[in-house]
Amino acid sequence: EAGVAQSPRYKIIEKRQSVAFWCNPISGHATLYWYQQILGQGPKLLIQFQNNGVVDDSQLPKDRFSAERLKGVDSTLKIQPAKLEDSAVYLCASSLVRGPHYLFFGPGTRLTVL
Amino acid sequence: KQEVTQIPAALSVPEGENLVLNCSFTDSAIYNLQWFRQDPGKGLTSLLLIQSSQREQTSGRLNASLDKSSGRSTLYIAASQPGDSATYLCAVTGANSKLTFGKGITLSVRP
Repeated sequence: EAGVAQSPRYKIIEKRQSVAFWCNPISGHATLYWYQQILGQGPKLLIQFQNNGVVDDSQLPKDRFSAERLKGVDSTLKIQPAKLEDSAVYLCASSLVRGPHYLFFGPGTRLTVL
Repeated sequence: KQEVTQIPAALSVPEGENLVLNCSFTDSAIYNLQWFRQDPGKGLTSLLLIQSSQREQTSGRLNASLDKSSGRSTLYIAASQPGDSATYLCAVTGANSKLTFGKGITLSVRP
């Protein structure tokens, strides 16, 4: 079965610019997650979707970050405007059902903000 | 608030050595604990998942144990190989189904 797909793999932007990341989860997976992993840290959950509804976005900096999952399949995470501290790897993951189950992670998008 | 700690941050061992990676967590009210592997520039791969009612899980040369009451888990790697070099992250799933990760241990196995 195909894994979680993410694009782009790498992105370099200047501060105050905008950027968008795309994720296509494993087919049939209802739950989709976006994580932020700063160098040397463990991943931190930004937002969790169940189908096309938001389950948890408590740690999403909503003044600059937004995410959507139209039609309950693929998802887009946007940052506008970017700050230096947003430099990180953005990981998308999906799971078959909501709850404490195996998560399948994509390769991530490495963002560098200059 | 759940906190997950992995010490040390890095470890270097010679090939063939048996080794133990440690993980501790502050809130024992967990559903499960997972160990992940992360290779440079790659995403995370789940290695082992231990349900809260279980004490250990095994997969090949890997064995993970869980002591929920003391808030500890260990990942045992037998007969380490250079291909085991990676970052190993521990994560717990709390009552809210949220996964909390440690910072990881970067393992280097020297040929």
